[in-house]
Amino acid sequence: GAGVSQSPSNKVTEKGKDVELRCDPISGHTALYWYRQSLGQGLEFLIYFQGNSAPDKSGLPSDRFSAERTGGSVSTLTIQRTQQEDSAVYLCASSLAGLWKGEQPQHFGDGTRLSIL
Amino acid sequence: AQKITQTQPGMFVQEKEAVTLDCTYDTSDQSYGLFWYKQPSSGEMIFLIYQGSYDEQNATEGRYSLNFQKARKSANLVISASQLGDSAMYFCAMREGRGGGYQKVTFGTGTKLQVIP
Repeated sequence: GAGVSQSPSNKVTEKGKDVELRCDPISGHTALYWYRQSLGQGLEFLIYFQGNSAPDKSGLPSDRFSAERTGGSVSTLTIQRTQQEDSAVYLCASSLAGLWKGEQPQHFGDGTRLSIL
Repeated sequence: AQKITQTQPGMFVQEKEAVTLDCTYDTSDQSYGLFWYKQPSSGEMIFLIYQGSYDEQNATEGRYSLNFQKARKSANLVISASQLGDSAMYFCAMREGRGGGYQKVTFGTGTKLQVIP
């Protein structure tokens, strides 16, 4: 079956440009997460969507970052006026959620490698 | 405050030996879940094992076991009979459940494990 799909897989852009990163979660997964991973580092939480609830944006590093999730499925992470420190791999994950059901691991996409020149 | 702490940036283990990767966590929730993921150099995130806060027995999955000590808030991963293919980054993660389906997942900084032939 289809896993989590992210596009583009690689993005190179100039400082100051806006970028949009896309995530297609697994069908039926109501929880969707964005993380940022700098080279050799851990996963930094950015934002979490859960069904129709207001997203948890507590991890967004600045107001240049925003994300939306349309129709409870596809999500777009937008970074405005990119800076060199935004260079990283952006990972999207989805999972089943709702009533506590124990083991529900996140399924990750392959990530978008963003390079700001 | 750091919610998930992995104090070992890097570890070495001899092939066929067992190794323990440390993870401590901090939460005030009664209901939560703990995960371990493996990230090889290829970058994919691979789910290994899960432990629920109410699970009385330590989780096991093949060569992976989780040493869960709730009172100490630790969830160490034990890999038995290490193999060369176990060389990777290992991440501990916690899902906090606050009811209503809220299930934010945060990650530790990771431990880089290298298996020596």
